Amino acid sequence: DGGITQSPKYLFRKEGQNVTLSCEQNLNHDAMYWYRQDPGQGLRLIYYSQIVNDFQKGDIAEGYSVSREKKESFPLTVTSAQKNPTAFYLCASKDGTSSNQPQHFGDGTRLSIL
Amino acid sequence: AQSVTQLGSHVSVSEGALVLLRCNYSSSVPPYLFWYVQYPNQGLQLLLKYTSAATLVKGINGFEAEFKKSETSFHLTKPSAHMSDAAEYFCAVSDPGGTSYGKLTFGQGTILTVHP
Repeated sequence: DGGITQSPKYLFRKEGQNVTLSCEQNLNHDAMYWYRQDPGQGLRLIYYSQIVNDFQKGDIAEGYSVSREKKESFPLTVTSAQKNPTAFYLCASKDGTSSNQPQHFGDGTRLSIL
Repeated sequence: AQSVTQLGSHVSVSEGALVLLRCNYSSSVPPYLFWYVQYPNQGLQLLLKYTSAATLVKGINGFEAEFKKSETSFHLTKPSAHMSDAAEYFCAVSDPGGTSYGKLTFGQGTILTVHP
């Protein structure tokens, strides 16, 4: 079945450590997105990518980095510069560039600080 | 800039009762609108979408929503709640403009509790 796979499901970070969250999709979608979810705040956009080797900052990009070397993969690195990384991270993808197409979501990665 | 307001962070209903989850949006152009549902520790699942066709949109699991431009609203309803409807619901808006790249702006979410 086609879908979006996020791994790991749970991740723990030590102080000063960078961690990378994986997002893989086999839907052949061009666009991919990373969101951060905190209780009572909805989803906030971190980074997005419309095509391979191109990505743009979202609303809360500070302390995060991404790459898009392959169409199916869009990993997110949470750097040590992100002082409050504890959150639920969601990856999404969308077919084409039209805004009327819905985004499809993975099952998320929950990141916690040790 | 677009924004979405979901009135009521928590809504509680009895099983079999009407479900009404409120969503108001702010947009300089007629937007595209979406409702998603999220079960604990899972991703978001699309319930329904409005993309400028019929103003009354039917979705999965018996949910529907009506786009009212004059009220800038897109409220989600279901005639009879089921225990399995207990989840968090998100309203989202997308700018139809070509430079938006399909980005979504989400409301803060409404947690629906269903009592037996």
